[in-house]
Amino acid sequence: GAVVSQHPSRVICKSGTSVKIECRSLDFQATTMFWYRQFPKQSLMLMATSNEGSKATYEQGVEKDKFLINHASLTLSTLTVTSAHPEDSSFYICSARDHGTSGGGFTDTQYFGPGTRLTVL
Amino acid sequence: ILNVEQSPQSLHVQEGDSTNFTCSFPSSNFYALHWYRWETAKSPEALFVMTLNGDEKKKGRISATLNTKEGYSYLYIKGSQPEDSATYLCAFFYNFNKFYFGSGTKLNVKP
Repeated sequence: GAVVSQHPSRVICKSGTSVKIECRSLDFQATTMFWYRQFPKQSLMLMATSNEGSKATYEQGVEKDKFLINHASLTLSTLTVTSAHPEDSSFYICSARDHGTSGGGFTDTQYFGPGTRLTVL
Repeated sequence: ILNVEQSPQSLHVQEGDSTNFTCSFPSSNFYALHWYRWETAKSPEALFVMTLNGDEKKKGRISATLNTKEGYSYLYIKGSQPEDSATYLCAFFYNFNKFYFGSGTKLNVKP
């Protein structure tokens, strides 16, 4: 399957600082990338859909100004957690959407990065 | 937010046992159902993309079935091995543009 990298894998920062997380699709072009957040013992919650060359689409309840998403190229999307606070501590994971070769979109799948563990002190 | 549920939450089996778990999802507006395997410290790995009612997919000892009318999918593992230990996630592909995940089934296979 395709490879998606995510950096950093782990970050600890002080409250009030901003943290940038990068998501790269290494061997295919991804017009769409997804950003998820996982709370302890819960499922992956979609935060936003990142579209190359256009504004991200945020899910209800996700603050756009808090979680800035930029998808500047077909292989790179970034998530910046601005003015991070302890409640932003979480596991963040990205994925890149791969359009299936058949099925008219039904067989689209996603390839995940390894995730980023953010701890805000 | 759509409700996607997985059961059981965790499962402990002995090597060689066969096991199965369930994913339930909304039966209306179905597009696709995905299964992923997520090993500790690795990226979730796609197992199956299921699109048609009655679909059965197989990959080695792992197989999955789909019932879109009643809104469930089963994942089966035949003859579990320790390397099958992982969290298995299902995701409901909604409206061609987003995925809703279940909370996963954590499988532990003891040698």
